[in-house]
Amino acid sequence: RKEVEQDPGPFNVPEGATVAFNCTYSNSASQSFFWYRQDCRKEPKLLMSVYSSGNEDGRFTAQLNRASQYISLLIRDSKLSDSATYLCVVAASGGSYIPTFGRGTSLIVHP
Amino acid sequence: GAGVSQSPSNKVTEKGKDVELRCDPISGHTALYWYRQSLGQGLEFLIYFQGNSAPDKSGLPSDRFSAERTGGSVSTLTIQRTQQEDSAVYLCASSELVAGAETQYFGPGTRLLVL
Repeated sequence: RKEVEQDPGPFNVPEGATVAFNCTYSNSASQSFFWYRQDCRKEPKLLMSVYSSGNEDGRFTAQLNRASQYISLLIRDSKLSDSATYLCVVAASGGSYIPTFGRGTSLIVHP
Repeated sequence: GAGVSQSPSNKVTEKGKDVELRCDPISGHTALYWYRQSLGQGLEFLIYFQGNSAPDKSGLPSDRFSAERTGGSVSTLTIQRTQQEDSAVYLCASSELVAGAETQYFGPGTRLLVL
């Protein structure tokens, strides 16, 4: 089983739609969780950190479910500019803290 | 302020040649990471530095790959005797504090093509 798994998609949605991605992780010692966004041929950029209590930033909501070992990202009122690949990142506590990236979920928002 | 910079932005080389990739992290960032991303693939962790030391080198694909960091700042990734399968985008990232627990800021990457 891969350490961090994501549905590669693509998720093809119309403008204004609500879309949700999940990401599962295998290491129960994981302590830090992030969502990054990567545009085509660009570097990844932090979208948001994921906190235990869940957190919201405008149209974006991230949640963590430790019991089931997954994190989620919800995007409301999708914009054309949301089209990108969304990368899930998980880092374990202790040891060498190497962050593990999922392979990403591709989102295409169409008019 | 200045972000993470990488050079060269693009590199085309012949199989068997050595290449050196450079990363300038954000000033003051303690941790520095190297990743590799092949076309349409996810990020593959290569190595990270905490200061000038590399606690974990297990991600380096082979002994042809090496990396160093000096002065707690600039890092170079060297690939010796390049092979075609080394073709990828090499991304560098830095973070302020302890590796993994902090936001990583990525450079634009070096696109390496081995002919």
